[in-house]
Amino acid sequence: SQQGEEDPQALSIQEGENATMNCSYKTSINNLQWYRQNSGRGLVHLILIRSNEREKHSGRLRVTLDTSKKSSSLLITASRAADTASYFCATDRWYSGGGADGLTFGKGTHLIIQP
Amino acid sequence: DGGITQSPKYLFRKEGQNVTLSCEQNLNHDAMYWYRQDPGQGLRLIYYSQIVNDFQKGDIAEGYSVSREKKESFPLTVTSAQKNPTAFYLCASSPTALNTEAFFGQGTRLTVV
Repeated sequence: SQQGEEDPQALSIQEGENATMNCSYKTSINNLQWYRQNSGRGLVHLILIRSNEREKHSGRLRVTLDTSKKSSSLLITASRAADTASYFCATDRWYSGGGADGLTFGKGTHLIIQP
Repeated sequence: DGGITQSPKYLFRKEGQNVTLSCEQNLNHDAMYWYRQDPGQGLRLIYYSQIVNDFQKGDIAEGYSVSREKKESFPLTVTSAQKNPTAFYLCASSPTALNTEAFFGQGTRLTVV
């Protein structure tokens, strides 16, 4: 089952503009992660934010987390053509015995940066 | 260089044949995973392994099998019982199964002809 849902499904902006993507999830989490996928490639980890954090920065990336609304946002500032990719949020999966068994991914936001 | 390697990158299979996808990691990670990705979709978990000689079914395990005889290796077999095997398959590993980032291979694109 898919926990996270990204919004929008697709986003096209001009180079230099900021891009914002949102993720909503359904159940309580320990952390939320964002990944990037270039076409036909594997996923690359961007950033992890823990449930007790509200905001985190990494270079041109800014992630926020609102656990009361069960949502997160990823902001890419001063976008570049090389940022064109799909972006996924992911949350820990939990099974009934109390352990974790990997990550649950949303369907992703496809970001296109127009040069 | 440390990393996770999937092979082959492209694979073609005739209907009714089993095929095995390779996944090797030299990151000394305990946990390994197999995901399936269909066009325009997110990743769905097929199988995962938290430790050598142990693995568990994910959400879509039917028609697939795995083994974890070595820490470094987690091969996936797509059997003839899998109704729609054409997809992009991604292998990943993480230090543990909890609260850590996952490292992904470059994927294997399987096409049934």
